[in-house]
Amino acid sequence: DAGVTQSPTHLIKTRGQHVTLRCSPISGHKSVSWYQQVLGQGPQFIFQYYEKEERGRGNFPDRFSARQFPNYSSELNVNALLLGDSALYLCASSQRPGRRDTEAFFGQGTRLTVV
Amino acid sequence: GQNIDQPTEMTATEGAIVQINCTYQTSGFNGLFWYQQHAGEAPTFLSYNVLDGLEEKGRFSSFLSRSKGYSYLLLKELQMKDSASYLCAGEDSNYQLIWGAGTKLIIKP
Repeated sequence: DAGVTQSPTHLIKTRGQHVTLRCSPISGHKSVSWYQQVLGQGPQFIFQYYEKEERGRGNFPDRFSARQFPNYSSELNVNALLLGDSALYLCASSQRPGRRDTEAFFGQGTRLTVV
Repeated sequence: GQNIDQPTEMTATEGAIVQINCTYQTSGFNGLFWYQQHAGEAPTFLSYNVLDGLEEKGRFSSFLSRSKGYSYLLLKELQMKDSASYLCAGEDSNYQLIWGAGTKLIIKP
């Protein structure tokens, strides 16, 4: 069974551009969360989706948006890229939020570099 | 506010025991996670505590005190491959994870 898959693995963009990151959760998982991890820091929560609805949003500007599709895959979009958006973007999937016996499984992440 | 505090870096010797502490403040609290993250890789799940007390899983154990807002991860019989960052994350009342900055654990022979 495939784990959480993210694409692309690495990406270089210039300031002002737009980027779309993709995530496919583990089969059967309906919840997807997005995190930003700057080097040397812990992940920062961006969005959580469950059953195609936004369940939570972190403290990120409106340049960041996301959506979840009927097959539970998800996209994270970032507009008007800034140098400070350079980070590892992690996607995590779980069966559903709030179950003790369900931990979140992380994808390998997308390394975004903004130049 | 929401806050997770853990030491930035710790050093231990191969074969020894190390305890990584974490204190938390979250908006409501459901439980506490520990994840391991090797450099350049995604975090991998270690433990989830929702009740007070110690949960043991092989060489790794995790403890939670809800009244004190405190948790620790205990690693026994340290191996070189345990060199990694260990992330503490509190799950708030909206089931969202609030992460600490991670503790970099260095294992020396």
